[in-house]
Amino acid sequence: EAGVTQSPTHLIKTRGQQATLRCSPISGHTSVYWYQQALGLGLQFLLWYDEGEERNRGNFPPRFSGRQFPNYSSELNVNALELEDSALYLCASSPLVRQYSYNEQFFGPGTRLTVL
Amino acid sequence: KNEVEQSPQNLTAQEGEFITINCSYSVGISALHWLQQHPGGGIVSLFMLSSGKKKHGRLIATINIQEKHSSLHITASHPRDSAVYICAVRPNYGGSQGNLIFGKGTKLSVKP
Repeated sequence: EAGVTQSPTHLIKTRGQQATLRCSPISGHTSVYWYQQALGLGLQFLLWYDEGEERNRGNFPPRFSGRQFPNYSSELNVNALELEDSALYLCASSPLVRQYSYNEQFFGPGTRLTVL
Repeated sequence: KNEVEQSPQNLTAQEGEFITINCSYSVGISALHWLQQHPGGGIVSLFMLSSGKKKHGRLIATINIQEKHSSLHITASHPRDSAVYICAVRPNYGGSQGNLIFGKGTKLSVKP
């Protein structure tokens, strides 16, 4: 069974540009999570999508946004890039999360974004 | 103070040694993950725990919910175990559904 896939592997942008990162979940998984791992800061929760809707968002500015498509794949968009947006962006997926339940998350290989 | 604290930050061991990495957390949780991250960034989920103990090969994870503490043990360590080990918790307070809170990781280096 294929795991979580992310594209591109590496992305280089300049300040002020927009970046689009893509994630395909494991087949049958409906939830997609985005995390940022900036140098020296550890992993931080960015966004959670389930069944096409944004369910929760971390403490990030609105220029971090995304969406989930009907096939459950997801895009993360970062507008007006800043130097500190340089990081590894990880996507994870899990089966449907019902209220008061929790399912294990499976991680993709990540997209390394460099902002010059 | 971080909600998830790991110790030690760095650990160097000789091949064959028994290794313990600790994780303490300060919030109520519904689950705790142990993750492994190799150089290059890819993350592998080793365990998800909500109580007790789990074993997979040479890896053992335990959790004590009352004490808000978990340990990851590696028996007969090998150089291929060299990686960053990350503890992550899924908090159970309102509005947190879905997200994980991560420790800063323990960098393990196993020397041959």
